[in-house]
Amino acid sequence: DTEVTQTPKHLVMGMTNKKSLKCEQHMGHRAMYWYKQKAKKPPELMFVYSYEKLSINESVPSRFSPECPNSSLLNLHLHALQPEDSALYLCASSQVLVMDRGSPPQHFGDGTRLSIL
Amino acid sequence: QQQVKQSPQSLIVQKGGISIINCAYENTAFDYFPWYQQFPGKGPALLIAIRPDVSEKKEGRFTISFNKSAKQFSLHIMDSQPGDSATYFCAASRRRTSGSRLTFGEGTQLTVNP
Repeated sequence: DTEVTQTPKHLVMGMTNKKSLKCEQHMGHRAMYWYKQKAKKPPELMFVYSYEKLSINESVPSRFSPECPNSSLLNLHLHALQPEDSALYLCASSQVLVMDRGSPPQHFGDGTRLSIL
Repeated sequence: QQQVKQSPQSLIVQKGGISIINCAYENTAFDYFPWYQQFPGKGPALLIAIRPDVSEKKEGRFTISFNKSAKQFSLHIMDSQPGDSATYFCAASRRRTSGSRLTFGEGTQLTVNP
């Protein structure tokens, strides 16, 4: 079991639907991430939140809207998605900084498998 | 400069053998080198990681070898087991004020035959 919990595990939606993906962690991490992963490819970074503020948006289309309501929760709101948006959406979390030790490790959830009809 | 190159793309090993996956990077600002293991239908799980101030790290059957001057690092899986069959991603990370920024290799599909 991972310490980053994502719901739902599977989601099928039409191109006109609005849905949300949810991510929760209780490790006290203050950095949270959304990634998109296509089959047989590495995860691609979409968004980074640090201390509940959006710090990185990797030029993601506006049909994806992230939200970080508190330090434990991260949401990804979906609207008017396209078939090419079908993928595994992964959430990760990490400490913001590891003093004198460089980059902190990121811990991933098991993702939401999203299919767009 | 942000690339991490991983090889081989796929690897088949007999049970009990040694699996070796290699990665190379260009950006000397990377300060953390994790390996992730991913099973079908699951997210990437942090397997083992190394920082550039050491040349080797061992955890059970898994060892990372790191060559800072060559800008290369590798994962060795000793006594490979069928349960090790998964996709392995190397990554390199730069520290940022807002967490870390992972650059992944393209992945290696490992199959361990019984």
